[in-house]
Amino acid sequence: QQPVQSPQAVILREGEDAVINCSSSKALYSVHWYRQKHGEAPVFLMILLKGGEQKGHEKISASFNEKKQQSSLYLTASQLSYSGTYFCGATADRGSTLGRLYFGRGTQLTVWP
Amino acid sequence: DGGITQSPKYLFRKEGQNVTLSCEQNLNHDAMYWYRQDPGQGLRLIYYSQIVNDFQKGDIAEGYSVSREKKESFPLTVTSAQKNPTAFYLCASRNSYGYTFGSGTRLTVV
Repeated sequence: QQPVQSPQAVILREGEDAVINCSSSKALYSVHWYRQKHGEAPVFLMILLKGGEQKGHEKISASFNEKKQQSSLYLTASQLSYSGTYFCGATADRGSTLGRLYFGRGTQLTVWP
Repeated sequence: DGGITQSPKYLFRKEGQNVTLSCEQNLNHDAMYWYRQDPGQGLRLIYYSQIVNDFQKGDIAEGYSVSREKKESFPLTVTSAQKNPTAFYLCASRNSYGYTFGSGTRLTVV
């Protein structure tokens, strides 16, 4: 049930755009996105619910395609501070908002000046 | 400020020893989780608890034990049965909006 993230790694120049994908073999109810800096705790970016709208956070936004069982994270005009590992977490359980998430293996994003 | 406190930040264990990792939250969240992180593996769930005095095994529970006697606390014991315990351990709690993670404990077997 672990979602599959792609690509595994991305290298960008400051100001370039990137897309990170998260796909599942099971129907999804919600998808979470987190960013982790090296040696630190993951930080919550956003949550997308089935039937919900595309979310945004500054120049980082995400979409959720229920039919394709896929979510994508869009980083626009990347900044040095965007560097880190991005994880998606997904759940198919709509019955409980406190159920466990299944996390992908992460996408390592590096932004160079 | 509300958050999750994990201690210690670094922990060294001799082979055959049990060690306990502390996790305390003041967010008033019902659900708490323990994850193990190894390079290239992502976050793997060890145990989770949705309510006091109840917890469930995750995907890699062998060699670990937990307790949930108070809403605020969810300690993890790494037992001598865990053959490869060297890893970064993350505790998290959750409300309906998302997870809040602690700063982690790096455990090394010496």
